[in-house]
Amino acid sequence: NAGVMQNPRHLVRRRGQEARLRCSPMKGHSHVYWYRQLPEEGLKFMVYLQKENIIDESGMPKERFSAEFPKEGPSILRIQQVVRGDSAAYFCASSTLQVMNTEAFFGQGTRLTVV
Amino acid sequence: KQEVTQIPAALSVPEGENLVLNCSFTDSAIYNLQWFRQDPGKGLTSLLLIQSSQREQTSGRLNASLDKSSGRSTLYIAASQPGDSATYLCAALNTGNQFYFGTGTSLTVIP
Repeated sequence: NAGVMQNPRHLVRRRGQEARLRCSPMKGHSHVYWYRQLPEEGLKFMVYLQKENIIDESGMPKERFSAEFPKEGPSILRIQQVVRGDSAAYFCASSTLQVMNTEAFFGQGTRLTVV
Repeated sequence: KQEVTQIPAALSVPEGENLVLNCSFTDSAIYNLQWFRQDPGKGLTSLLLIQSSQREQTSGRLNASLDKSSGRSTLYIAASQPGDSATYLCAALNTGNQFYFGTGTSLTVIP
């Protein structure tokens, strides 16, 4: 089992461009979570998805950010019109069941730098 | 809202020493608490998961305890090694499938 795969590992975008971050969960996992780690801060929850459904997006900024987990393919976190404050490490986690009942496994993260 | 605090923020110990990392949380209505390790520029590696009904979990040289009533968890590392150098994060899971993370303890084990 290859674990949770995120790509790219590093992403540089100019202000105003779009950033697309991909997350392939572990095999057999249908629950995906996105977290953001700002410099010198702890990880903060952004969004929780199951296949084709957004279950909880209470941590997602209301504008410019969106997430999806299609029936086929990886989960995508999309940031439109990036600003310098979006520079952070974005981590994806997956689990077999709801995370209250089982262990969550995290990916290596995508480090986004906005210049 | 859950607040998770980890003390100390940084710790430096000589190789072979036993050590304890502390995690406290304000809302005791947790489903579970998970300890992670994060190496510089890397992702999170799950170390131990303690369900709310459990008091402790052990894996090799690691032992994690949970006291819900006092809002505390500890991670005990026995016979520390230079390879244990990393940042250790605790995360409390409340309702809503959200982990609340502490800011971590940065551990350096000196050979």
